[in-house]
Amino acid sequence: SQLTQSPSSLSASVGDRVTITCRASQDISIYLAWYQQKPGKAPKLLISAASTLQSGVPSRFSGSGSGTDFTLTISSLQPEDLATYYCQQLNAYPLPFGPGTKVDVK
Amino acid sequence: QITLKESGPMLVKPTQTLTLTCTFSGLSPSTGVVGVGWIRQPPGKALEWLALIYWHDERRYNPSVASRLTITKDTSNNQVVLTMTNMDPVDTATYYCAHRPGGFSPFESWGQGTLITVSS
Repeated sequence: SQLTQSPSSLSASVGDRVTITCRASQDISIYLAWYQQKPGKAPKLLISAASTLQSGVPSRFSGSGSGTDFTLTISSLQPEDLATYYCQQLNAYPLPFGPGTKVDVK
Repeated sequence: QITLKESGPMLVKPTQTLTLTCTFSGLSPSTGVVGVGWIRQPPGKALEWLALIYWHDERRYNPSVASRLTITKDTSNNQVVLTMTNMDPVDTATYYCAHRPGGFSPFESWGQGTLITVSS
């Protein structure tokens, strides 16, 4: 299975609602994770099983979807959310990652 | 608390073999399924999973590079080692090790990464 993400990049203002889409080429149920990677840093797990928020992750982040279509939503964008966001399929090797969505804060 | 740290040469020459070591703490089979994987990221590009080893000795490799990879574990020293043969400049990337609890889990904890440059 392959993953696509849209958009590839976006620029939004502080307080805006931001939505990133990840699409799988075949049904992967809920076996999808979202990671945040800030510049020069390792990826950080935000969401597992499509919608389970990891401990310590701000509640403005949320995930939804199942099957082939998934979304990551930031309800109110903050300056510290400047990062690239990746989705990853979890139920089949080679555990592919999406190409990433770069989020810029205006 | 789980921590992982990668180590290896910063520079390798084309055709050489790369050996990377992931040293971890806070992982124990007594606390659940333990898997450690390697993921790489060329400069400015996306993440690519390479290999994974579980403590019950199951090994998995990305088919795109499987013929060049070997992953092993040294449980007594809390280390996982990845070797990649026949290195090429396109293998220049930051290499991360990360913990995967098992099943359909994501990579929950990551090392800081180590940049490996392939150049003559």
